[in-house]
Amino acid sequence: KAGVTQTPRYLIKTRGQQVTLSCSPISGHRSVSWYQQTPGQGLQFLFEYFSETQRNKGNFPGRFSGRQFSNSRSEMNVSTLELGDSALYLCASSFFPDTDTQYFGPGTRLTVL
Amino acid sequence: ELKVEQNPLFLSMQEGKNYTIYCNYSTTSDRLYWYRQDPGKSLESLFVLLSNGAVKQEGRLMASLDTKARLSTLHITAAVHDLSATYFCAVDSGNTPLVFGKGTRLSVIA
Repeated sequence: KAGVTQTPRYLIKTRGQQVTLSCSPISGHRSVSWYQQTPGQGLQFLFEYFSETQRNKGNFPGRFSGRQFSNSRSEMNVSTLELGDSALYLCASSFFPDTDTQYFGPGTRLTVL
Repeated sequence: ELKVEQNPLFLSMQEGKNYTIYCNYSTTSDRLYWYRQDPGKSLESLFVLLSNGAVKQEGRLMASLDTKARLSTLHITAAVHDLSATYFCAVDSGNTPLVFGKGTRLSVIA
């Protein structure tokens, strides 16, 4: 059974640009969560989606947005990139929110220059 | 607001020794997770603990949960180099997202 996949794996952008990251959950999983990981702040929750609806949103500015499609695949977008957005962005999926272990993808390493 | 604290944040162990990583959390919890992360890699699920007194073991790792003390421990027995990684605990308190600890960077040396 394939795991969570994320594309692209690495990205280099410059300040002011925007970026879209993609996540395909494990087959059958309908809940997708996104996290930002940085050395200073650790793992911070960004969003959670279930059945195309955003259930929770973390304490991030409106430049961070996301969505989930009917096939449970999810995307997140960051507009007007800042240097501080450089991080590893992790996607995790589970069958249902709140009740199941989340399985993490390999992450997208975003570098903002 | 749920807060999760791990200690120590850094741990250097000799091979063959035992040690314990602690995870304290501030509110009631539905479940507690332990994850492992190797450098440059993603998070791998190790254990999920659901109830007071729960104990799970896999190889040289054993996790336990005391919900009254709001404390989970990850005990490492007879450490080997392959256990070198960063270990995270994460707490789920219901309809709120998972909250992670800062992680414990474990280095097992010969």
